[in-house]
Amino acid sequence: AQSVSQHNHHVILSEAASLELGCNYSYGGTVNLFWYVQYPGQHLQLLLKYFSGDPLVKGIKGFEAEFIKSKFSFNLRKPSVQWSDTAEYFCAVNRPGSARQLTFGSGTQLTVLP
Amino acid sequence: DTEVTQTPKHLVMGMTNKKSLKCEQHMGHRAMYWYKQKAKKPPELMFVYSYEKLSINESVPSRFSPECPNSSLLNLHLHALQPEDSALYLCASSQTSAVAYEQYFGPGTRLTVT
Repeated sequence: AQSVSQHNHHVILSEAASLELGCNYSYGGTVNLFWYVQYPGQHLQLLLKYFSGDPLVKGIKGFEAEFIKSKFSFNLRKPSVQWSDTAEYFCAVNRPGSARQLTFGSGTQLTVLP
Repeated sequence: DTEVTQTPKHLVMGMTNKKSLKCEQHMGHRAMYWYKQKAKKPPELMFVYSYEKLSINESVPSRFSPECPNSSLLNLHLHALQPEDSALYLCASSQTSAVAYEQYFGPGTRLTVT
């Protein structure tokens, strides 16, 4: 079975700092990759997704992620975080054709200090 | 419109009550999902409906009973719940479940079982 690891459980940054959140998955075949964000009291929103093509994908709110197949990784980055980026971030993976769709990582709580 | 709506937002019920959660989407999606999310944890898949038929039941106790009356609606009927069932219940939808598409999540119903 596939699994997703997010090793950073809680990240604290000051505004304008750069962000990188790690995501590794265990499945060796073709995968689709996602980052979701959950702001306090709000629903899960899709930040970005990777299905195929350019391994560097850009999402909403200035986020980007890079798929590195050899490392089974899909790390999320943002050059300069804002206080409003404080949220829980979930990496998720699915396999094409799998009806179960998404396997989520355990999540990373990002706190940005003003 | 990429909105999934859920009602009610909050629900408090006793262990002998019967209640229902509702989910609606008007994006023409043919796959709909129920997830359970505990605080600071990732969503856990409960059920998948594909073309209005139940395709996945992740060994959910029978006190949770899903129903898909039509392609836009998804219900979750609750009966004889336990306090440990208290959680945020999320509905999601995607174009289909057989091919990978991103899922859109609703805001959730915060359920408290007393």
